[in-house]
Amino acid sequence: GENVEQHPSTLSVQEGDSAVIKCTYSDSASNYFPWYKQELGKRPQLIIDIRSNVGEKKDQRIAVTLNKTAKHFSLHITETQPEDSAVYFCAAKTGANNLFFGTGTRLTVIP
Amino acid sequence: GAVVSQHPSWVICKSGTSVKIECRSLDFQATTMFWYRQFPKQSLMLMATSNEGSKATYEQGVEKDKFLINHASLTLSTLTVTSAHPEDSSFYICSARDRRQGYTEAFFGQGTRLTVV
Repeated sequence: GENVEQHPSTLSVQEGDSAVIKCTYSDSASNYFPWYKQELGKRPQLIIDIRSNVGEKKDQRIAVTLNKTAKHFSLHITETQPEDSAVYFCAAKTGANNLFFGTGTRLTVIP
Repeated sequence: GAVVSQHPSWVICKSGTSVKIECRSLDFQATTMFWYRQFPKQSLMLMATSNEGSKATYEQGVEKDKFLINHASLTLSTLTVTSAHPEDSSFYICSARDRRQGYTEAFFGQGTRLTVV
């Protein structure tokens, strides 16, 4: 099946700085790549997603880039705020329609 | 967005007993639902794909006789942990995708924290 790797596992940034989280996937047939934010004890919430026919997508302070050739995609958060602190998961949807998650990144934004 | 409701939110049970967790799509029909398990500070591990009207598809390493999945209607899937043991203690979370949105974005239930004593 699909194997999604995510780095780093923890990330601390100063408020206002940028944060970048990277993921790689193994199944070249994967065609949909969402990013989820999970606050402690809560359900994951979709924050941005990208399909395989697009290289980059931006939504205010959040952007995602996709490199299909290298099979990696990244989440970029600019002007970070304390409320951005959470665990972020990348995921890849395979041709079989299953969603496989990365191992997660615990982001801490220091005020 | 679409709403997925999971019940119960937390449950404590004795070893050897069975626990049923329900996952409901409240405002859309979900022919497919997914069950995940999440250990503390770890990622979501896909356990099985629940298909309405047919048998669930289990991921490698997941015991189908221990984790019984039933998807009896387009809005309800249940996961039953049979003969639970302390090592089954975990956070179980379901998700469903809305056909109206092209089966892409996954909406998650609020999760069930199972503690087996």
